[in-house]
Amino acid sequence: EAQVTQNPRYLITVTGKKLTVTCSQNMNHEYMSWYRQDPGLGLRQIYYSMNVEVTDKGDVPEGYKVSRKEKRNFPLILESPSPNQTSLYFCASSLFTGRGETQYFGPGTRLLVL
Amino acid sequence: KQEVTQIPAALSVPEGENLVLNCSFTDSAIYNLQWFRQDPGKGLTSLLLIQSSQREQTSGRLNASLDKSSGRSTLYIAASQPGDSATYLCAVKRHRDDKIIFGKGTRLHILP
Repeated sequence: EAQVTQNPRYLITVTGKKLTVTCSQNMNHEYMSWYRQDPGLGLRQIYYSMNVEVTDKGDVPEGYKVSRKEKRNFPLILESPSPNQTSLYFCASSLFTGRGETQYFGPGTRLLVL
Repeated sequence: KQEVTQIPAALSVPEGENLVLNCSFTDSAIYNLQWFRQDPGKGLTSLLLIQSSQREQTSGRLNASLDKSSGRSTLYIAASQPGDSATYLCAVKRHRDDKIIFGKGTRLHILP
């Protein structure tokens, strides 16, 4: 089954404790993204990657890191989480043909930073 | 800076009615526009993708149009059903840097 998986689905942590949210897709997609969704602010792109070893900042990259060492995986790293990073996070992937293709979203990771 | 606006923010209509959701964007230099559906507490499901060279796309009771020059897209839902209740989001993929910008969504409630 074609899918985007994220782990963990729910996470409670404390300020400053490094964490990683994993994202994996099995569709051989080039383009992968991370978003955060907050009430009243909608979905905002954090980072995106157009292929292995190619990453770019989205609209809200501060406090986050990503890496793309393999095509299927795109982990989101919070080196020193803060309470303002409490949010619902989504990973997404799509083919990259230069014009854009349908994005497929993971189920989301709900993060609470105390 | 690309901005994507969805109006109205919320909408309640009786079952069976046809309805139109609106999406506007400020920068017409886009690759495509995509409409999504999001159920409470769930992820996003793609409904329709319109390439910048296309005018509309249809899937079942859904029809999405794109007028790139005026920066507008509409999602038309025919014969609405209670199962259509969800939040509908539009997103554009910007031409110059491949960033994707979302609107804040329209929360739709279909009354039985």
